[in-house]
Amino acid sequence: GAGVSQSPSNKVTEKGKDVELRCDPISGHTALYWYRQSLGQGLEFLIYFQGNSAPDKSGLPSDRFSAERTGGSVSTLTIQRTQQEDSAVYLCASSGQAAYNSPLHFGNGTRLTVT
Amino acid sequence: SQQGEEDPQALSIQEGENATMNCSYKTSINNLQWYRQNSGRGLVHLILIRSNEREKHSGRLRVTLDTSKKSSSLLITASRAADTASYFCATDAANQAGTALIFGKGTTLSVSS
Repeated sequence: GAGVSQSPSNKVTEKGKDVELRCDPISGHTALYWYRQSLGQGLEFLIYFQGNSAPDKSGLPSDRFSAERTGGSVSTLTIQRTQQEDSAVYLCASSGQAAYNSPLHFGNGTRLTVT
Repeated sequence: SQQGEEDPQALSIQEGENATMNCSYKTSINNLQWYRQNSGRGLVHLILIRSNEREKHSGRLRVTLDTSKKSSSLLITASRAADTASYFCATDAANQAGTALIFGKGTTLSVSS
């Protein structure tokens, strides 16, 4: 079946603009994660959705960042008033259970460049 | 934070040699996972080891876990050029249902032929 799909694959935007990044998880997966990876760096946790529970937003770096997961499936990460330091690859992952019980399946990411 | 930290940051070896990467973490965990990332791509899951396990094998991969030292190692035997990638460990926080999986900064492995 299809894996985790992210769109767009690349996004160039001007400083101050808002952007929306989309993630289509594997069908039936209840857990969905967003991570950010700067060039040559590790993964920075942003937000975690698990079923119908309230999302864990503890990794969001500022109130300019928000995410939704509609109908327990597709997720959108929104960055308002983008800054140059927001430039990074944004990775989405899903898993069939809580992540401590099963592996994460990653998409190929959205490369965001803020000019 | 229970974030894992990999060591070394970078490793260069010849084909056929073994590669060992280490991961240390701070708090008690349920499981520890290892992932691989090829340049410009998403991460691929390699192996999951539970907190009550000490060693696990998968093909040329061998993972150990020492919960008393809060550390894990990933051994790749008989390395190949195709093993060139970044390797990350990831942990959660034990006794906290539904916690996020936190990744370390990774080890960059370069295997030359």
